Amino acid sequence: AQSVSQHNHHVILSEAASLELGCNYSYGGTVNLFWYVQYPGQHLQLLLKYFSGDPLVKGIKGFEAEFIKSKFSFNLRKPSVQWSDTAEYFCAVNRPGSARQLTFGSGTQLTVLP
Amino acid sequence: NAGVTQTPKFQVLKTGQSMTLQCAQDMNHNSMYWYRQDPGMGLRLIYYSASEGTTDKGEVPNGYNVSRLNKREFSLRLESAAPSQTSVYFCASSNPGQAVPEAFFGQGTRLTVV
Repeated sequence: AQSVSQHNHHVILSEAASLELGCNYSYGGTVNLFWYVQYPGQHLQLLLKYFSGDPLVKGIKGFEAEFIKSKFSFNLRKPSVQWSDTAEYFCAVNRPGSARQLTFGSGTQLTVLP
Repeated sequence: NAGVTQTPKFQVLKTGQSMTLQCAQDMNHNSMYWYRQDPGMGLRLIYYSASEGTTDKGEVPNGYNVSRLNKREFSLRLESAAPSQTSVYFCASSNPGQAVPEAFFGQGTRLTVV
């Protein structure tokens, strides 16, 4: 069974700092990879996704993620965070064509200090 | 376009009471899912329905039942609520046949069992 690890449970940054959130998955086959964001009191929204092609994926709000197959990683990055980026971030994975849908990591709470 | 709609948004139950969480999507998606979100554990799949007329257990199905009433609606029932079922519940839908099946989430139901 696939699993997803997010090693950073809570990250605190000041505005304009750079962000990198780690995500590792355990599945040897082809996978689709996702980052979702949950702003306080809201539902999950898709930030970006990867399934093939360029391993550097750009998403909304200036976020990007890099798929490194040899490391089973899909880390999320942003060069300069804003206070409005305060949220919980979830990495998720599924197998192409699988109806069992997404396996989520435990999430990383990002707090950006003004 | 409403997307995925869940009702109710908040609910308090006494131990042993029953209730049904409702979910409807208007995106003509084949697959629907129920997740629960608990602090530090990410989202865990309770049940899913790959298509109308089918349902399957996810990672944490005990204490729950589901009904895929039609293509639009997928309900989650707690027959005898327990404090361990205090959680935030999210319904989601997707079309697994797409190249990258993005999941769309409802706003969530915050359930407290006392």
